Amino acid sequence: DAGITQSPRHKVTETGTPVTLRCHQTENHRYMYWYRQDPGHGLRLIHYSYGVKDTDKGEVSDGYSVSRSKTEDFLLTLESATSSQTSVYFCAISKGQVDQPQHFGDGTRLSIL
Amino acid sequence: GQQLNQSPQSMFIQEGEDVSMNCTSSSIFNTWLWYKQEPGEGPVLLIALYKAGELTSNGRLTAQFGITRKDSFLNISASIPSDVGIYFCRSANTGNQFYFGTGTSLTVIP
Repeated sequence: DAGITQSPRHKVTETGTPVTLRCHQTENHRYMYWYRQDPGHGLRLIHYSYGVKDTDKGEVSDGYSVSRSKTEDFLLTLESATSSQTSVYFCAISKGQVDQPQHFGDGTRLSIL
Repeated sequence: GQQLNQSPQSMFIQEGEDVSMNCTSSSIFNTWLWYKQEPGEGPVLLIALYKAGELTSNGRLTAQFGITRKDSFLNISASIPSDVGIYFCRSANTGNQFYFGTGTSLTVIP
């Protein structure tokens, strides 16, 4: 298995609270990604990073921010969580952007009440 | 964003049967990948395809990169209960864009 650790694995929180999810990799891969997975929508890209402090938006970035201060860590923050952000969040890593496969973490199940 | 057309959406088969699923698009791609996701886990890469017409096997799994570069197929031979899961395709083009299919849910009945 690729060395990807997501934390926490499960979280329940209330609407309006800030939430930060962490993705940690031990592979020294350049690219890191955050996805959300919802029934009927498959995997949707939230944000991705192509290097330390280099990030870009995906197709569903509204309401989310990211930071990457070290190669190994990619943080996803919900500044003020809403119920529509209840989802399973996956982190992925890859050596290259499109020519290399992405390897996924085991996900974080986030419930916002 | 653009999504791939992955079919079928779900399959219920008897153990021992062969399985076929595919992903299609109106666009041309340079890479096709196939993943499997089991409950409570992240997707795991099964097969990667980088060339039109390429046929690649991984055990009982065989995937093909369509000759038109607009589609890909995944076949599973002699299914077993541990094949249960959701199978995703992923495509990528030269414009640094990639797309995931919405998945095929496979149930294998012992």
